[in-house]
Amino acid sequence: DARVTQTPRHKVTEMGQEVTMRCQPILGHNTVFWYRQTMMQGLELLAYFRNRAPLDDSGMPKDRFSAEMPDATLATLKIQPSEPRDSAVYFCASGTRTDTQYFGPGTRLTVL
Amino acid sequence: GIQVEQSPPDLILQEGANSTLRCNFSDSVNNLQWFHQNPWGQLINLFYIPSGTKQNGRLSATTVATERYSLLYISSSQTTDSGVYFCASTGGTSYGKLTFGQGTILTVHP
Repeated sequence: DARVTQTPRHKVTEMGQEVTMRCQPILGHNTVFWYRQTMMQGLELLAYFRNRAPLDDSGMPKDRFSAEMPDATLATLKIQPSEPRDSAVYFCASGTRTDTQYFGPGTRLTVL
Repeated sequence: GIQVEQSPPDLILQEGANSTLRCNFSDSVNNLQWFHQNPWGQLINLFYIPSGTKQNGRLSATTVATERYSLLYISSSQTTDSGVYFCASTGGTSYGKLTFGQGTILTVHP
């Protein structure tokens, strides 16, 4: 049963620390998305990649967030330095042109 | 970009009841999806339904693209149906960024 995996599942850190979240998309999916869920904003897109190339990162605070796909099996989302307002659940999703998006279990980030 | 609105915001049911959730969108869509977020936070795909009607067990969905709405029907609800139901769309493109509605919080009591 193919599924998107994310690590870590939970992360508690202090303000100013670097946070790296990882995602392994479903094998064969060429598009990877990063979403963030908060009570105030709901689910919103941060960035997405197709065939490892960034297509849209307009939802991401550029000064502290960065997203990369070092290879087809790994996507990373990095926050440096982290702030309390970054506390949220971060979801990775993957898909293809003709299919729905499949979501990973999420990383619950708490920045103290 | 496209706007997605869901109603009602909250719904409380007794086990066995039926319910209808609605999703309105502001523009034509080539991609409309329904998700269930369970109490553990997992987002589960329910339907990919840019138009027409689909059924999966006790759940079914209908999208009337020309009138810009989609409905999710839950029949004979069970406590395991509790959670948040989201609809989302990529708008006029068939592929890419999903814009989510604010969700309907469903609570099913035994």
